[in-house]
Amino acid sequence: TAGITQAPTSQILAAGRSMTLRCTQDMRHNAMYWYRQDLGLGLRLIHYSNTAGTTGKGEVPDGYSVSRANTDDFPLTLASAVPSQTSVYFCASSDSTEGQPQHFGDGTRLSIL
Amino acid sequence: AQKITQTQPGMFVQEKEAVTLDCTYDTSDQSYGLFWYKQPSSGEMIFLIYQGSYDEQNATEGRYSLNFQKARKSANLVISASQLGDSAMYFCAILRDSGYALNFGKGTSLLVTP
Repeated sequence: TAGITQAPTSQILAAGRSMTLRCTQDMRHNAMYWYRQDLGLGLRLIHYSNTAGTTGKGEVPDGYSVSRANTDDFPLTLASAVPSQTSVYFCASSDSTEGQPQHFGDGTRLSIL
Repeated sequence: AQKITQTQPGMFVQEKEAVTLDCTYDTSDQSYGLFWYKQPSSGEMIFLIYQGSYDEQNATEGRYSLNFQKARKSANLVISASQLGDSAMYFCAILRDSGYALNFGKGTSLLVTP
């Protein structure tokens, strides 16, 4: 089973350029999430979507936007990348039921130069 | 806001021994959920165990168990009979105020030695 697919696996991007990180799940989960992971800081929530058509801001939303046009896809866009956005980005999904764990993609390693 | 504190940046344990990874949390909610994830050096996030605040029993999943002390707001992960493959980062997380997203702690790095 595929679960959650993230693309690309890694990317080097020039500062000021835009980039969309792709995330697709095949589990029909209602909720999806984007986190960034930085050394010593754990994972921090960027944006989330509890159901298709809705999105919400997490802990560190500035500089990022998301959309949720359908259940399966949850792309994350950096409109004008800055070096502080260098990070590993994880997409996750879960069923909207208490106690259900989040399933994570393999991550996208993004370097902004 | 819900917050997780993991005070042990790094831990060592000998193979076949048990180890406890600490996690304390801060929340004003009566109902909440706590999760533990494992992240090996390959980078993927692996769900280990869940504890609901109203669960009367401590959660167990194979060699993983959760020492849940509600009054002390702690949810420590106990790994019994450690294996070399248990070497990884371990993250404790709590459900956020709204929806089903998680607030993570900063993690504990566990190294299992032969």
